[in-house]
Amino acid sequence: SQKIEQNSEALNIQEGKTATLTCNYTNYSPAYLQWYRQDPGRGPVFLLLIRENEKEKRKERLKVTFDTTLKQSLFHITASQPADSATYLCALTDSWGKFQFGAGTQVVVTP
Amino acid sequence: DSGVTQTPKHLITATGQRVTLRCSPRSGDLSVYWYQQSLDQGLQFLIQYYNGEERAKGNILERFSAQQFPDLHSELNLSSLELGDSALYFCASSAAGGPPKNIQYFGAGTRLSVL
Repeated sequence: SQKIEQNSEALNIQEGKTATLTCNYTNYSPAYLQWYRQDPGRGPVFLLLIRENEKEKRKERLKVTFDTTLKQSLFHITASQPADSATYLCALTDSWGKFQFGAGTQVVVTP
Repeated sequence: DSGVTQTPKHLITATGQRVTLRCSPRSGDLSVYWYQQSLDQGLQFLIQYYNGEERAKGNILERFSAQQFPDLHSELNLSSLELGDSALYFCASSAAGGPPKNIQYFGAGTRLSVL
């Protein structure tokens, strides 16, 4: 069955460092992968979309890579700030159009 | 503000009852998605509609049903409610039914408490 895996353990990181999150998937042939941010009690907010023919995408302090051979996406937050503390979700759409989110990884940035 | 409106914000009801959650998508978006998020759990995809038609189905219980109306707003009906149905219910909308324009914009959610 199709599966999306994100590290369930919270990532604790010091302000100014780079946070790196992993999204692994199986039994998908995704053409597009998306990353969202979710704050407690609020709906996810779209951050970045990367296509399978794009190895890397950047937006301000965010960077996403997509390796279809490894079936993995990495999400980086550079120069992290306490305001970056949140849960980050990756999401894939299968060939039937079914949209699925990973369980998310919580990031805690301490001053 | 995402442009997606969900009502009501909070709902408190008893077991066995039936409730209706409402969602108005962003202007111009044709697709609506419903998700359930229990406390400290991930987002569970329930169902997607595109321009009035069911497009994809997730782990939606038979006690739950949804529809999208001609004006594109959507309703999620939850019946024979159980304690375990207590959760945040999110609606999201996107311009298209599939990638690449299926970037989702989420509403603020409806918090359902079943007592």
